[in-house]
Amino acid sequence: GENVEQHPSTLSVQEGDSAVIKCTYSDSASNYFPWYKQELGKRPQLIIDIRSNVGEKKDQRIAVTLNKTAKHFSLHITETQPEDSAVYFCAAKESTNAGKSTFGDGTTLTVKP
Amino acid sequence: DAGVIQSPRHEVTEMGQEVTLRCKPISGHNSLFWYRQTMMRGLELLIYFNNNVPIDDSGMPEDRFSAKMPNASFSTLKIQPSEPRDSAVYFCASSLGGQGGYEQYFGPGTRLTVT
Repeated sequence: GENVEQHPSTLSVQEGDSAVIKCTYSDSASNYFPWYKQELGKRPQLIIDIRSNVGEKKDQRIAVTLNKTAKHFSLHITETQPEDSAVYFCAAKESTNAGKSTFGDGTTLTVKP
Repeated sequence: DAGVIQSPRHEVTEMGQEVTLRCKPISGHNSLFWYRQTMMRGLELLIYFNNNVPIDDSGMPEDRFSAKMPNASFSTLKIQPSEPRDSAVYFCASSLGGQGGYEQYFGPGTRLTVT
């Protein structure tokens, strides 16, 4: 089955700096790669996603890049703000329409004011 | 849209008791997922359904856990008998699936404490 590894497990940055979280996956057939943000005590919520036919996607201060050959994808947050502090999960979804997503272990991001 | 609804939000029970968690997915969504989240093990997929049919239950930890989806608007996760190590937050999520999109919408979760 799919295996997703996420690094780093914790990340601390100063407000205004950039943050990068990286994930690798094992199944070359995976075709959908979402990123979820989970604030303390709340549910995970999608912040950005990318499909396997796209190399990069950007939404304001967040961007995701995908390298299918190397089987890795990354989340980039620019101009970080204290409200970006949360746990971030990457995931890789198997290619069948009803397929499941395998989640990484999460990265705890702390943005210091 | 009310989003994914889970009940109860909190459950405290004694070891050996039966626990039933409930989930109502977003109307029109075809896939439903049950997850368990703990500090030690992170976010684990327990089971998921597509069009009310269980597709993959390989994440269910043992026979004490069972899940059903009798119709498109309701699912249950049952633990019988419960044990202290089952203490966790249990999330239900749903998605449209297929061409409708793969984004999973999570419910607020049920925090289960087994004493």
